[in-house]
Amino acid sequence: DTEVTQTPKHLVMGMTNKKSLKCEQHMGHRAMYWYKQKAKKPPELMFVYSYEKLSINESVPSRFSPECPNSSLLNLHLHALQPEDSALYLCASSQDRGLFTTNEKLFFGSGTQLSVL
Amino acid sequence: AQSVSQHNHHVILSEAASLELGCNYSYGGTVNLFWYVQYPGQHLQLLLKYFSGDPLVKGIKGFEAEFIKSKFSFNLRKPSVQWSDTAEYFCARMDSSYKLIFGSGTRLLVRP
Repeated sequence: DTEVTQTPKHLVMGMTNKKSLKCEQHMGHRAMYWYKQKAKKPPELMFVYSYEKLSINESVPSRFSPECPNSSLLNLHLHALQPEDSALYLCASSQDRGLFTTNEKLFFGSGTQLSVL
Repeated sequence: AQSVSQHNHHVILSEAASLELGCNYSYGGTVNLFWYVQYPGQHLQLLLKYFSGDPLVKGIKGFEAEFIKSKFSFNLRKPSVQWSDTAEYFCARMDSSYKLIFGSGTRLLVRP
């Protein structure tokens, strides 16, 4: 299994809603990431978890709250979002943060397309 | 801050044409470079990466890239493109905190 699975694939929510994005991998990877990708823009890093601990928060607003319940799961809890938060949210994982070895790479999920009304 | 630049935002080619997409990286720090591809409606996939050693890196699907230190470049090449290569291509660099910093991307359209 070399997949990163994200659910849901599409999500429409109002500004007062609370929702969660889920990400799962069973490759034994110990680093997991959330990226945000606006249309026609490159992915931008939001959070990095390493060994289930938050290691990087790219100054993301608190209305985005990540959670790593175990080494296979990564959640992104959403609350009181704004329309400008509409984007594709990508989860990724890697064996470790450093991506050092020749065979090391970042595996991306297909993303959750989020629309905030 | 470490960064990468992709100056070609849109490229249109006919099938069998040769491809070269530009990527320049900023001076400073360890240089770890990547090319990712995003096919329409699909997730990002790694094409190739450079950490050290041979500056000519071979990737999947017939792609290669050459690390030229003197030019701060890591251009992506393919001798003969196919319609199925239509996608968006991102150059990326790992910074000193092990974060991947992506370039703005190049949209490639290959006409049959």
